[in-house]
Amino acid sequence: AQSVTQLGSHVSVSEGALVLLRCNYSSSVPPYLFWYVQYPNQGLQLLLKYTSAATLVKGINGFEAEFKKSETSFHLTKPSAHMSDAAEYFCAVSPLRGGKLIFGQGTELSVKP
Amino acid sequence: GAGVSQSPRYKVTKRGQDVALRCDPISGHVSLYWYRQALGQGPEFLTYFNYEAQQDKSGLPNDRFSAERPEGSISTLTIQRTEQRDSAMYRCASSWERFGETQYFGPGTRLLVL
Repeated sequence: AQSVTQLGSHVSVSEGALVLLRCNYSSSVPPYLFWYVQYPNQGLQLLLKYTSAATLVKGINGFEAEFKKSETSFHLTKPSAHMSDAAEYFCAVSPLRGGKLIFGQGTELSVKP
Repeated sequence: GAGVSQSPRYKVTKRGQDVALRCDPISGHVSLYWYRQALGQGPEFLTYFNYEAQQDKSGLPNDRFSAERPEGSISTLTIQRTEQRDSAMYRCASSWERFGETQYFGPGTRLLVL
């Protein structure tokens, strides 16, 4: 069965520091992979997606993620955290390359001044 | 343009009552998805439609849950005889693609069953 594991339910970084949010997936076929961000009282917003083109994917707000098939990982990074990055981040897999998304449990990112 | 809208945004109901949650997708979007999100968890797939056809309802937890999209636009998720365990955020998403490669989410409906 396909699944997504996000390591760390809460990550805290200082403003200007590197952001690294970890995501590992399990899928029997090469999947599509996504990162979504959720701000309080808002819907989920797509940050970036991997759909079997370039393995390094750049998204909005300076975020990027690298698909590593050998490690079954899709970690999200940003070189320098900003206060406005504080939110909850969800990794998701689309095992059928479309259709339903399977989400991880989420990682809450806090940014300290 | 307008995004995905959901109504009501908040719903408080008593156990045993039926509730209907509405989703208005982005105009022209072909596919529509329903998810349920418990507190502290990621969204969990319930069902989805391409146009008016329900393609996958494998995530509906039991037969108290049903969904429809009769004209291929607005969708309603109905929960009959609500139970306290149904309390959650219910999220709708839509996509211009039949297989929903990129899904756009609405703000959700927070359901509380007393």
